[in-house]
Amino acid sequence: SQQGEEDPQALSIQEGENATMNCSYKTSINNLQWYRQNSGRGLVHLILIRSNEREKHSGRLRVTLDTSKKSSSLLITASRAADTASYFCATGAGGGSEKLVFGKGTKLTVNP
Amino acid sequence: DTEVTQTPKHLVMGMTNKKSLKCEQHMGHRAMYWYKQKAKKPPELMFVYSYEKLSINESVPSRFSPECPNSSLLNLHLHALQPEDSALYLCASSPKELSSTDTQYFGPGTRLTVL
Repeated sequence: SQQGEEDPQALSIQEGENATMNCSYKTSINNLQWYRQNSGRGLVHLILIRSNEREKHSGRLRVTLDTSKKSSSLLITASRAADTASYFCATGAGGGSEKLVFGKGTKLTVNP
Repeated sequence: DTEVTQTPKHLVMGMTNKKSLKCEQHMGHRAMYWYKQKAKKPPELMFVYSYEKLSINESVPSRFSPECPNSSLLNLHLHALQPEDSALYLCASSPKELSSTDTQYFGPGTRLTVL
């Protein structure tokens, strides 16, 4: 079963606005990763946040993690048309497994 | 060289054909992965090789056969596929042995269509 569930499933905003995507997961985690996928292409790693971290920044990206609520959010500030992509969170599968399990993803469209 | 390459980019095959997908990385990564991704779905893990040994097979049908000839190469041999196997097949690698704390580096994928 999937570990992460993102919401919203789809998000459409104007260039310059901020975009927030959320991810919820089920079991305890060591870390949570966010990936971006441009249409029909491979995934690109964006950021990893460890379970003992609450917030992490990378350029225009801000990720938060709330382990008590088993949730994470990805904020993209001052969005650009080039940010149009699908965004996936990924966590360990749990139960001692080291494989990554990806959430269902959020499709972000940034309109120029 | 900091990328994962995959060939071919597109593949159309009949249900009786035998074909292979190829993945290559020259980053010295020790773990390599095959994922299958259907449209509007997340990638689903198929196989993991760690130090050139198969460490995970996610109960994938035997018509998919992975091979890791050396630490830089990963193949996926296809035989007697079904139309529902049509998908984007993604290869990935990560620096150390299989670990959920490692960043995975993805190739651009092979778009497979089974007629």
